[in-house]
Amino acid sequence: DAMVIQNPRYQVTQFGKPVTLSCSQTLNHNVMYWYQQKSSQAPKLLFHYYDKDFNNEADTPDNFQSRRPNTSFCFLDIRSPGLGDAAMYLCATSRGLAGAETQYFGPGTRLLVL
Amino acid sequence: EDQVTQSPEALRLQEGESSSLNCSYTVSGLRGLFWYRQDPGKGPEFLFTLYSAGEEKEKERLKATLTKKESFLHITAPKPEDSATYLCSLLQGAQKLVFGQGTRLTINP
Repeated sequence: DAMVIQNPRYQVTQFGKPVTLSCSQTLNHNVMYWYQQKSSQAPKLLFHYYDKDFNNEADTPDNFQSRRPNTSFCFLDIRSPGLGDAAMYLCATSRGLAGAETQYFGPGTRLLVL
Repeated sequence: EDQVTQSPEALRLQEGESSSLNCSYTVSGLRGLFWYRQDPGKGPEFLFTLYSAGEEKEKERLKATLTKKESFLHITAPKPEDSATYLCSLLQGAQKLVFGQGTRLTINP
């Protein structure tokens, strides 16, 4: 009965080779988020979708893009990964109906850049 | 600027030894304070949401409390399976969670 699913759990890519991470949810939540968490650091929000509306954080590098083709799926695209992009990438969802909603996280995808 | 500071960074306890984790915060208008548990290599697992000073919530051996400046996560008679990193976060704006650095808790048998 997994609610927020991320694939793959581990991803190895080469420096500069585009990579896509996937997130799906069975909660029918309006909002989907992508966070980056580097080793021993707090999760940092990259961007989120409220329905089809994309909201980018000001300090998210242009190298990071996202797509949400439907309510259930959201993708994180890294166009040209650098060594500094190695991290755990966390997807989260919330209902988003009235703000202050709980965010539920997936298990994460650990990205390694060689 | 909204800020979340957690202390201590790491805490080692013996099984059964109760203690508290601290989360100090500054925010212009609290809209929600969230506690999560994160095991190594996994995503954060939701524990509690607190909305106003004086509010308390409990779950098994955990109890979260909130004042106007800080939140505490009290752990009573912990077990080794309570070992994890505990994250405190604030809602900033409508949707953004701002996290503290976390407290890494180890419970020795």
